[in-house]
Amino acid sequence: ELKVEQNPLFLSMQEGKNYTIYCNYSTTSDRLYWYRQDPGKSLESLFVLLSNGAVKQEGRLMASLDTKARLSTLHITAAVHDLSATYFCAAGQGGSEKLVFGKGTKLTVNP
Amino acid sequence: NAGVTQTPKFRVLKTGQSMTLLCAQDMNHEYMYWYRQDPGMGLRLIHYSVGEGTTAKGEVPDGYNVSRLKKQNFLLGLESAAPSQTSVYFCASSYSATGVYGYTFGSGTRLTVV
Repeated sequence: ELKVEQNPLFLSMQEGKNYTIYCNYSTTSDRLYWYRQDPGKSLESLFVLLSNGAVKQEGRLMASLDTKARLSTLHITAAVHDLSATYFCAAGQGGSEKLVFGKGTKLTVNP
Repeated sequence: NAGVTQTPKFRVLKTGQSMTLLCAQDMNHEYMYWYRQDPGMGLRLIHYSVGEGTTAKGEVPDGYNVSRLKKQNFLLGLESAAPSQTSVYFCASSYSATGVYGYTFGSGTRLTVV
């Protein structure tokens, strides 16, 4: 059974600092997703990672995937207040249409 | 671009009442999903569909039923609501099984069972 663990679950950081959110998954997965959710809102797709070594960047966010380590990371560079949100990773298991989500990381960026 | 539309957005039910949540997508996606989101739990899959006329159980299917009579619609039913079903429900759809293009989520339905 595929399980997905994120850490940290809560992250408070200052503007301008860098930090990384980690997403570990328990069994082989052929795809990894990162989503952003603002309070009371839906999930917004950030990144889709489909192969070992995949790296994608959008603005101050960069996601990577290491399938051998069963690890994905979401790196935040020079954080700004607008990045405050909850970030979820989700993994899909080969041959299955289903996604398994982590519990989310609530990020607060303080001025 | 409507994407995935969920109705209603909010609902309060009394214990034992029934209701149906509607999910409609206009992207011609084959795959549709119902998730529930509870504080500190992430999203958990309730039921899903791989095409018109098909449904399958997810991680937490008990107390829910679904139907996919038309490709664009995926209905989630609660036959006898319980307080444990108080949650935010999200519908999602995808073009392919591998989700290469990602999943599109609706805006959610906030359900309270009293």
